[in-house]
Amino acid sequence: DAGVTQSPTHLIKTRGQQVTLRCSPKSGHDTVSWYQQALGQGPQFIFQYYEEEERQRGNFPDRFSGHQFPNYSSELNVNALLLGDSALYLCASSFTKTSEQYFGPGTRLTVT
Amino acid sequence: KNQVEQSPQSLIILEGKNCTLQCNYTVSPFSNLRWYKQDTGRGPVSLTIMTFSENTKSNGRYTATLDADTKQSSLHITASQLSDSASYICVVTFSGGYNKLIFGAGTRLAVHP
Repeated sequence: DAGVTQSPTHLIKTRGQQVTLRCSPKSGHDTVSWYQQALGQGPQFIFQYYEEEERQRGNFPDRFSGHQFPNYSSELNVNALLLGDSALYLCASSFTKTSEQYFGPGTRLTVT
Repeated sequence: KNQVEQSPQSLIILEGKNCTLQCNYTVSPFSNLRWYKQDTGRGPVSLTIMTFSENTKSNGRYTATLDADTKQSSLHITASQLSDSASYICVVTFSGGYNKLIFGAGTRLAVHP
């Protein structure tokens, strides 16, 4: 039973570019949440997807958008990258009727 | 405002020693509190989970306590090992919405030989 997987592991982008991060949830999970974790900080909630729709959103600008596919996998897109977007991006999956979230290994994004 | 505060920010201990990490929260209503261990550059891994009616939960050398009246939790690590070096994050589930997780900033623990 595979856990939560994320790709790519590491990514380097230039300011102003766009990036897409991917997440496959744990088997049996239907909800995906995305978090941004700056160095030395706790994860900050970006948004959550359920039934292919954004169900709730944290305090992030519209440059951050996402998508959930019928197989429950998800993408996080960030447009017009800023240096401050450099962080570890974590994906967590859960079954909607419980709150237990399982985290993936993360994608380390560096914006230069 | 729903917040989770952890102390200390960082801690250095010698291998074999015990330590206790603190978590204070103002999240309300809340359904449960978790402690996660996060190795550098990796995703958090759950250590313990407690509902508001539970006072203590153990997982090997890790023991978490919860006082829902004072809104405080602690994580006690016994007989520390070098592999315990990591960040420990306290997470409270806000049950007023879609089970939104509120994260603390974490305590960075370094265990030295």
